[in-house]
Amino acid sequence: KAGVTQTPRYLIKTRGQQVTLSCSPISGHRSVSWYQQTPGQGLQFLFEYFSETQRNKGNFPGRFSGRQFSNSRSEMNVSTLELGDSALYLCASSLLGRNTGELFFGEGSRLTVL
Amino acid sequence: GNSVTQMEGPVTLSEEAFLTINCTYTATGYPSLFWYVQYPGEGLQLLLKATKADDKGSNKGFEATYRKETTSFHLEKGSVQVSDSAVYFCALPQGGSEKLVFGKGTKLTVNP
Repeated sequence: KAGVTQTPRYLIKTRGQQVTLSCSPISGHRSVSWYQQTPGQGLQFLFEYFSETQRNKGNFPGRFSGRQFSNSRSEMNVSTLELGDSALYLCASSLLGRNTGELFFGEGSRLTVL
Repeated sequence: GNSVTQMEGPVTLSEEAFLTINCTYTATGYPSLFWYVQYPGEGLQLLLKATKADDKGSNKGFEATYRKETTSFHLEKGSVQVSDSAVYFCALPQGGSEKLVFGKGTKLTVNP
């Protein structure tokens, strides 16, 4: 059974650009969450999608957005990149999204903003 | 909201040493508690969980007991191996969706 797949794994952008990250959940999983991981702030919740609807959103500016498609694949977008957006972005999926806390994480997309 | 405070480390041990990583939480009610592990270059994996007070979660020789009296969920292993070198995160749910609140993480290095 394939795990959570995130693309791209690494990317470098410059300030002001935008970026789109993709996440394919485990087959059959309907909930997809996104987290930002940085050395200073640790793991911070960005948002969660379930059946194409955003159910929860973390405390991030509106430059951070996401969506989920009918096949449960998800994308997140960061516009007008800032240096502080450099981070590992982790996607996680769960089967039913019933607040079980049992998340399956991908390996992440490492974004560097220059 | 819910929060978790975790011993940050780093922690360096010799193989076969005893490991304890402290985790305390603040929460409304009695939520499930989790330990996740992140090996170098990988995403997080669920290591163990406990769903109610006095539950003991265990996996791969690691254990943690849900203590509501002390609001703690300390991670322990009796004899660590080099392969246990990783970052360990304590976590609990926040809200009704799959949002987790994580501790800052504790980096463990085990030397042969």
